Amino acid sequence: GESVGLHLPTLSVQEGDNSIINCAYSNSASDYFIWYKQESGKGPQFIIDIRSNMDKRQGQRVTVLLNKTVKHLSLQIAATQPGDSAVYFCAENPYNQAGTALIFGKGTTLSVSS
Amino acid sequence: GAGVSQSPRYKVAKRGQDVALRCDPISGHVSLFWYQQALGQGPEFLTYFQNEAQLDKSGLPSDRFFAERPEGSVSTLKIQRTQQEDSAVYLCASSPRRQVGGYTFGSGTRLTVV
Repeated sequence: GESVGLHLPTLSVQEGDNSIINCAYSNSASDYFIWYKQESGKGPQFIIDIRSNMDKRQGQRVTVLLNKTVKHLSLQIAATQPGDSAVYFCAENPYNQAGTALIFGKGTTLSVSS
Repeated sequence: GAGVSQSPRYKVAKRGQDVALRCDPISGHVSLFWYQQALGQGPEFLTYFQNEAQLDKSGLPSDRFFAERPEGSVSTLKIQRTQQEDSAVYLCASSPRRQVGGYTFGSGTRLTVV
């Protein structure tokens, strides 16, 4: 079926390293993608989004890259901190329409050791 | 309020019991979503409201699930005759207008059916 998936369920890094979290999507018509961070016991928190007419978008310490050719999405976190430890989900809006459901991947657990 | 508030935070129900989960969205937010998140999985869409109108309920897993938002603000998700497979975190999210993604999630209600 059409879904968003992730390459690795877990990622462990040292404090100060750069982290890269990957996501593959299957719906080539998807036009809008979001990365969420979910800490234990909390709801998903918006990090950054990107539309399909862009290849790259930068935020504060985070960068999202979109490769439409291979249907791949990645989240780069610079100078990873212990507070970045969480589960990260990519999500897509396959219809690029307000009021339609996001499809979430299974998530990657990022563990940052100091 | 400052964020999306959900109550109760935890709910333990005996199999066959009815439960009601409440969501208080951010004041003035038009769009409201309910998602179900099983342990170790990404959130899955249940239903969507625009103001008081339920525009999409395609994700509700069975007719035991019912959601309402009668005055376009507070929403209630009701599950009748709960079963063990209903055990999950139920997340509510809202956004200020009909926008594509990027909405604010609550911390969820963790439902355990025993």
